[in-house]
Amino acid sequence: GQQLNQSPQSMFIQEGEDVSMNCTSSSIFNTWLWYKQDPGEGPVLLIALYKAGELTSNGRLTAQFGITRKDSFLNISASIPSDVGIYFCAGRETSGSRLTFGEGTQLTVNP
Amino acid sequence: GAVVSQHPSWVICKSGTSVKIECRSLDFQATTMFWYRQFPKQSLMLMATSNEGSKATYEQGVEKDKFLINHASLTLSTLTVTSAHPEDSSFYICSASPPRVMRETQYFGPGTRLLVL
Repeated sequence: GQQLNQSPQSMFIQEGEDVSMNCTSSSIFNTWLWYKQDPGEGPVLLIALYKAGELTSNGRLTAQFGITRKDSFLNISASIPSDVGIYFCAGRETSGSRLTFGEGTQLTVNP
Repeated sequence: GAVVSQHPSWVICKSGTSVKIECRSLDFQATTMFWYRQFPKQSLMLMATSNEGSKATYEQGVEKDKFLINHASLTLSTLTVTSAHPEDSSFYICSASPPRVMRETQYFGPGTRLLVL
């Protein structure tokens, strides 16, 4: 089956630093989604990408749909303590098919 | 954005009992909802796809007779864990997709923590 590799697994940064994480797939995706999950909560959608090369921002967050359609990255600028959480990428191969999730990136921000 | 709710948010039950979890799309209709299970420090694992008016589609390795899914309306899907055992203790999360043909996405509920004693 398809595989989705997300890296890094964890990050420990200082408040104010920028963060970058990425996902790569063994398959071509037509949708990339980025979620954040806080402890004991469901994932919250951050950014949705639907087109190769698409670059989308949501506040301090920026994500891009790789032109090969097999990768995506998420950047967080000027991190703050409330950015702490687990970030998941998810991709979909075709319309209506299931999402495949990455293993998550645990982000810790030290004040 | 679209809102998905779950009830209850947590439940503790005795081994052998059944537990029902509800998933509702509050501001949109969803012909398809998804049920995931998540163990500590792990990613989400899709259990089944719930289709309104028809049988759910279960992922490989998920027992359909143990995890009963009913998608009775366009805004409600239920997951019943039958004869629950301690190994069924987990975080169960549902999601739903608003009906957009070209720009599908999934919105998740807040999750239900199940502890089976």
